[in-house]
Amino acid sequence: AQSVAQPEDQVNVAEGNPLTVKCTYSVSGNPYLFWYVQYPNRGLQFLLKYITGDNLVKGSYGFEAEFNKSQTSFHLKKPSALVSDSALYFCAVRGSFSGGYNKLIFGAGTRLAVHP
Amino acid sequence: DADVTQTPRNRITKTGKRIMLECSQTKGHDRMYWYRQDPGLGLRLIYYSFDVKDINKGEISDGYSVSRQAQAKFSLSLESAIPNQTALYFCATSDDGYQPQHFGDGTRLSIL
Repeated sequence: AQSVAQPEDQVNVAEGNPLTVKCTYSVSGNPYLFWYVQYPNRGLQFLLKYITGDNLVKGSYGFEAEFNKSQTSFHLKKPSALVSDSALYFCAVRGSFSGGYNKLIFGAGTRLAVHP
Repeated sequence: DADVTQTPRNRITKTGKRIMLECSQTKGHDRMYWYRQDPGLGLRLIYYSFDVKDINKGEISDGYSVSRQAQAKFSLSLESAIPNQTALYFCATSDDGYQPQHFGDGTRLSIL
């Protein structure tokens, strides 16, 4: 079955500390992975993607993500958290669907709270 | 102006009413999507369209219908709203399946 798991409902971190938001996936074939961020009363905004190539992907706002094929993980990281990073984060994987079309499968989301 | 615009942003209505949510985009993308967001469930795909003549059901299409009036416009209808359709609804667009999707700011729908 194709799926995305974000094992933590919420992550709390102090401002200035490094942060990690975890994501694991299950998909047939090569995974195409995405991270999105959602601020209150806004739609999802794209942060970064992994299609192929280097396992460390750099994205917007200083975020990066590490693809690990053996662990089927794609964790989101940032070296130094900001209060303004507080938001809801979604991991997604491109999976197959009936009719041959592909679609994004989203995780349930992880709420990141950065405390001053 | 926003690239993907959803109207209305908020709507409260009663059980049994017909509701239409509208989405328009200026990105020139062929692919458009409607999602539903519920707390703890992430986003689930309701319908998607790869061009004006191509409309497909997603994973939770029962109780919903869509219309692709033009490349830039994709509307979602609830024919007879029920309370468990209370949710946050998002429209999204993309160039293709490998590129990121671009989301509108959502419609918060409450059905009493």
